[in-house]
Amino acid sequence: GAVVSQHPSWVICKSGTSVKIECRSLDFQATTMFWYRQFPKQSLMLMATSNEGSKATYEQGVEKDKFLINHASLTLSTLTVTSAHPEDSSFYICSARGRKLTYEQYFGPGTRLTVT
Amino acid sequence: DQQVKQNSPSLSVQEGRISILNCDYTNSMFDYFLWYKKYPAEGPTFLISISSIKDKNEDGRFTVFLNKSAKHLSLHIVPSQPGDSAVYFCAALRASGGSYIPTFGRGTSLIVHP
Repeated sequence: GAVVSQHPSWVICKSGTSVKIECRSLDFQATTMFWYRQFPKQSLMLMATSNEGSKATYEQGVEKDKFLINHASLTLSTLTVTSAHPEDSSFYICSARGRKLTYEQYFGPGTRLTVT
Repeated sequence: DQQVKQNSPSLSVQEGRISILNCDYTNSMFDYFLWYKKYPAEGPTFLISISSIKDKNEDGRFTVFLNKSAKHLSLHIVPSQPGDSAVYFCAALRASGGSYIPTFGRGTSLIVHP
């Protein structure tokens, strides 16, 4: 099956610094990648959708200047949390889809971000 | 405003019995639905899907039923096994700009007792 990896799986950073999370599709070309955020006992909240080679589309309420998304290739998307604050601490999950008309998404294992 | 609702945060079932997980939605523009299973600190894994033009889809022990008029879908697991214990998310897809945008419910935590 399709495999999606995320790196790092766990990161602690100081308030005010930036942290980059990578999402890779290992055995397929991901034309679309999604970034989610999950708070404890809450749903997966879609942050943004990115198509390879184009700018990401952010959901309402998500600051595009704070959460920078780059989908530079068909196998890699990155999420950079800039000037992180403790309230950005969360579980960030990416997912990837191979073709625009395919319904299934394949999820990465997630990245636990803790901002101190 | 939650467009996809899973009103039961948790469900406890005896091994061998049927587990029924429910999901309601409000947006009639959703045209595809998926169920995901998630273990703690892991990403969700796809279980089963159903198109809005169907009312049932079956895959092994998992069956998803869709009632469009009631805007309700359910996932049946039979027989339930302890390894099925996880959080189950319902997701609904809507077409947007040539792609499909997912909306997830809050999940239902299923515990299957041996």
